[in-house]
Amino acid sequence: SQQGEEDPQALSIQEGENATMNCSYKTSINNLQWYRQNSGRGLVHLILIRSNEREKHSGRLRVTLDTSKKSSSLLITASRAADTASYFCATDANDDMRFGAGTRLTVKP
Amino acid sequence: DVKVTQSSRYLVKRTGEKVFLECVQDMDHENMFWYRQDPGLGLRLIYFSYDVKMKEKGDIPEGYSVSREKKERFSLILESASTNQTSMYLCASSQGVNGNTIYFGEGSWLTVV
Repeated sequence: SQQGEEDPQALSIQEGENATMNCSYKTSINNLQWYRQNSGRGLVHLILIRSNEREKHSGRLRVTLDTSKKSSSLLITASRAADTASYFCATDANDDMRFGAGTRLTVKP
Repeated sequence: DVKVTQSSRYLVKRTGEKVFLECVQDMDHENMFWYRQDPGLGLRLIYFSYDVKMKEKGDIPEGYSVSREKKERFSLILESASTNQTSMYLCASSQGVNGNTIYFGEGSWLTVV
């Protein structure tokens, strides 16, 4: 079964705005990762946050993790048209990786 | 850079055919995965493998089998393809799982007619 569930399913914003995507999961995890998928392509790793971390930054990406609420958020600041893609969270609770259904982000120029 | 190569990008097969999807990784990764991706359902794990000749069922193994005879190669087999197996199939690999990045291939679009 899917471990992570992303919210919203789809998000449309203007270039320059910030985009926030959320992920909720059901069981305890070791780590949570975010991946990006351009249309019709494979997934590419963006960032990993460990269960003992609360926040992590990488360039324009900011990830938070709240293990008490079993949730994570991905913030993309100053979005660009090139950020248009689907974003997935993935958890590795049981020696395998489970992905959510993803958030489809559209950034309009 | 890690490279995960899926042998076929687009395939069209007939119902009842046996289908092989091949995947090769070049980083000596222990773990390899096959996922299926359908609109609105995200990625669903079909099978994964920790090591040569080892395999574990994922969430949706029915109708599929896998083979891992060599560490770098992980094959997904549809013994008798059906139309409900029309989907995008993604192969991935990682060095272990906990805290390790998973590297994906570009995907194989399978249409069963």
